[in-house]
Amino acid sequence: GIQVEQSPPDLILQEGANSTLRCNFSDSVNNLQWFHQNPWGQLINLFYIPSGTKQNGRLSATTVATERYSLLYISSSQTTDSGVYFCAVDFGGYNKLIFGAGTRLAVHP
Amino acid sequence: EAQVTQNPRYLITVTGKKLTVTCSQNMNHEYMSWYRQDPGLGLRQIYYSMNVEVTDKGDVPEGYKVSRKEKRNFPLILESPSPNQTSLYFCASSYLTTDTQYFGPGTRLTVL
Repeated sequence: GIQVEQSPPDLILQEGANSTLRCNFSDSVNNLQWFHQNPWGQLINLFYIPSGTKQNGRLSATTVATERYSLLYISSSQTTDSGVYFCAVDFGGYNKLIFGAGTRLAVHP
Repeated sequence: EAQVTQNPRYLITVTGKKLTVTCSQNMNHEYMSWYRQDPGLGLRQIYYSMNVEVTDKGDVPEGYKVSRKEKRNFPLILESPSPNQTSLYFCASSYLTTDTQYFGPGTRLTVL
C-alpha cells in the first residue's frame, strides 16, 4: 500500500550540529511538504517540494522524485529547532496529504 | 497577515453534546480540509472541500459533518461527539489542489 516512511524516528543533537532527515515514499507524488510541529502543537510549513532543491535560511530540502525520497537538512541547529518534523505526501492529486510518522528532534544547549 | 484560524483552540465537552469547530482562511484559497492527529496514528484527513458547496470524505469521516457555504469558512460539526473523537484537530487550506497547504493552529478537543 501507499507508504511514507521517515528516518530516524528520534534524533538528539547538540546546538550547532547539522542533521539530515529522510522521507521515503512508495509511489510517484503530486505534492510533498515538510512540516515542523513545535512543542505547542502548531504545524509550521517548511517546504513545498515535489521535486528539486530549495533553501530557506539554515534549512534546505531536496526531493528526488524518480528515486522516491526527500531529504531535509538542518544546519547549525538551535534549541528552537526542537519538535517533530513531518514529511507529508499527496499521491492522488487532491491534496490529501499522507503524513509520515515523523522525526522527533531534540536540540540541547 | 495571511492565516488560517480555528476556534475554539481548546474544548472540553461531554458525550452527545453537539459542537462546531470553526475554520476560516483569508487567502482566498479554493481548497480546504480537516485533519485529526492521534498518538500512534498520526495525522489523517477527515473531509476536504475543493470549492464552495463541494465537499468530500477523507479517510476518517465517520461522526463528522462539514459545510462550505462561503469560500473562506469550513466548519467541522460533531453532531453527537463520543470519547473516541478526543483528538487534536487541524484545518488546512491551499490555493490549488497541487499547492502548499497551510495549517491552522489546531483545536484540542476532549470528549468526556
